Amino acid sequence: DGGITQSPKYLFRKEGQNVTLSCEQNLNHDAMYWYRQDPGQGLRLIYYSQIVNDFQKGDIAEGYSVSREKKESFPLTVTSAQKNPTAFYLCASKDRTGNYGYTFGSGTRLTVV
Amino acid sequence: GNSVTQMEGPVTLSEEAFLTINCTYTATGYPSLFWYVQYPGEGLQLLLKATKADDKGSNKGFEATYRKETTSFHLEKGSVQVSDSAVYFCALSDLTGSARQLTFGSGTQLTVLP
Repeated sequence: DGGITQSPKYLFRKEGQNVTLSCEQNLNHDAMYWYRQDPGQGLRLIYYSQIVNDFQKGDIAEGYSVSREKKESFPLTVTSAQKNPTAFYLCASKDRTGNYGYTFGSGTRLTVV
Repeated sequence: GNSVTQMEGPVTLSEEAFLTINCTYTATGYPSLFWYVQYPGEGLQLLLKATKADDKGSNKGFEATYRKETTSFHLEKGSVQVSDSAVYFCALSDLTGSARQLTFGSGTQLTVLP
């Protein structure tokens, strides 16, 4: 079955550490996205990528970095510069038309310990 | 810029009650409109969509009609079930060529009591 796989489901980070969240899709979608969701709030866009080797900052990119070396993969690194990283992170992808909306992964819950 | 405004929650209903979750939008051009549902601890799932004015999206007993004159896309269900308890997000996609234009509302928490 086609879909988006995020891993790990739960992640714990110590202060000052960088951590990387994985996002893999087998839908042959061109565009991929990372969103952050805080309790009781909507989704905020961190980064997005329309094609391989290209990506753009979203609304809250500070303290995060991404890469898009393969069409299927769009990992997100939460750096030590992100002062409040505890949140639920969602990866999504979209086909070229966008007529079918976005497909989301099941999310990674990151907690700073 | 684009924006989506949803009715604030939480919303609590008894089983078999009628559900309406209001959603209005501001956008340039002619966006596509979506409702997503998020169950606890999971990602978002597409519930229904409409791509042009007067279209009605429907799925699993839920319906929403794209009303251009009132810039609205209210979600309705005639008889809710306990299993409908989730967070519902209204969203718009401005298909003007850029990949980034999916704008979400803040979400509405629905709890259905038996």
